[in-house]
Amino acid sequence: DTGVSQNPRHKITKRGQNVTFRCDPISEHNRLYWYRQTLGQGPEFLTYFQNEAQLEKSRLLSDRFSAERPKGSFSTLEIQRTEQGDSAMYLCASSYLGQGPYGYTFGSGTRLTVV
Amino acid sequence: AQSVTQLGSHVSVSEGALVLLRCNYSSSVPPYLFWYVQYPNQGLQLLLKYTSAATLVKGINGFEAEFKKSETSFHLTKPSAHMSDAAEYFCAVNPEGNAGNNRKLIWGLGTSLAVNP
Repeated sequence: DTGVSQNPRHKITKRGQNVTFRCDPISEHNRLYWYRQTLGQGPEFLTYFQNEAQLEKSRLLSDRFSAERPKGSFSTLEIQRTEQGDSAMYLCASSYLGQGPYGYTFGSGTRLTVV
Repeated sequence: AQSVTQLGSHVSVSEGALVLLRCNYSSSVPPYLFWYVQYPNQGLQLLLKYTSAATLVKGINGFEAEFKKSETSFHLTKPSAHMSDAAEYFCAVNPEGNAGNNRKLIWGLGTSLAVNP
């Protein structure tokens, strides 16, 4: 197992375009989380899944954002009609419910730049 | 509301000197606390965690942290800094404490550690 994998690592897009990011968690982890991190800030929670169910969404996740985890394995985060304010690092993490509060395993993130 | 405060957004130490990164939290329940490290353009790596066992927690890369309930603190220390320790460090709290779940963490703003030769 190579840990949590995120693709692409970097994405540059023009304002108004749609983008989609993918996260492949550790295979036995049933929880998957998306965070956003802007420069000089800590991560901000966006949403999380338990298996394929999306259990919580932050108010930060506007209607332009959607996340899916169709088979309880990989997840995608889509941003429609991107804005410059969407420029950030998008982090995915996974954990195993029942293993206790041992923290997440994070991926390396996808850095989005909207020009 | 639960919160995490990291005192000092930038800390600079000499190689071989003591590293002290401060973290204070507020939580309505006994918290679980974490320190993560982030290298440039990388994700976050768990350094250590406090989960209501021993109050002095040892982590990777020679780091340790002490949970002090009376001071609501969870400061990170390392006796001797190495050049490779230069990174961003984040303190985080699991507001659900001993509920046993990691639903979402509350994060500090981070402290950037510079190590001078």
